Amino acid sequence: AQTVTQSQPEMSVQEAETVTLSCTYDTSESDYYLFWYKQPPSRQMILVIRQEAYKQQNATENRFSVNFQKAAKSFSLKISDSQLGDAAMYFCAYRSAGQGAQKLVFGQGTRLTINP
Amino acid sequence: DADVTQTPRNRITKTGKRIMLECSQTKGHDRMYWYRQDPGLGLRLIYYSFDVKDINKGEISDGYSVSRQAQAKFSLSLESAIPNQTALYFCATSGPRGTEAFFGQGTRLTVV
Repeated sequence: AQTVTQSQPEMSVQEAETVTLSCTYDTSESDYYLFWYKQPPSRQMILVIRQEAYKQQNATENRFSVNFQKAAKSFSLKISDSQLGDAAMYFCAYRSAGQGAQKLVFGQGTRLTINP
Repeated sequence: DADVTQTPRNRITKTGKRIMLECSQTKGHDRMYWYRQDPGLGLRLIYYSFDVKDINKGEISDGYSVSRQAQAKFSLSLESAIPNQTALYFCATSGPRGTEAFFGQGTRLTVV
C-alpha cells in the first residue's frame, strides 16, 4: 500500500526567508504523481504544485519549488521569500497513475507559521 | 456555485444515530473520494470510486459505507455514529491521469 509521511508537524519561518517542508512516500509503483496542497484556516484545499514521477526536472510555480528524489522517494517543498499569506497547513499527496480508480493518499500535514 | 458541494457543512448528531453526508460535483469527473481529517493525522482515505460500479475501500473504511448514485453524486454514511467519528470530512473529485483533485468545503461532524 502507498503511504506518505510528513515528519515535521510544525515549521516556522521569518517573513521573506526560505523554508523547506519534507515529505517521503512509499510505493512499489513506477508511475505516479505527487502534489503539495495548502489548507488555510478557511479549510479550503488549494493545489500548490504537482510533479510527474516520470519527469526528472523539478516542478516550480513562482516562489514554490520541489526537490523530487525518485530513488529516495522524497518530495520536499521549498517556499522562497515567505509571505504572511503562506501561513497554512501543507499536505503532501501521492496519486497512482493507471486505469480505473486511482488512489490519492495524503500525509499528516505540516503547519507553517510565518513570523513577521 | 462550487464545483464540489458537500452537505451539510456542519452537523451534530448523537451516538448510535445513522447519518449521511452528501457530495455532488459539476466537474464531470469520474473519480470521487471521501476523506476524514483529524489533527496530526492528516487526510485519511475512507472510500474511493471510479464510477457507479466501482467502489474501493480506503485505509479506514470500518464503520462507514458509501453509495455512488450517479457519476456526479457520492454519499458517505455512518450507520451507527460513535464519538470517535467526530472529524472534518472532505469529498474530492479528480479527472484524468495526473490531474489535481478538487475538494468540497468540508463537513464538520460532531458525535456526542
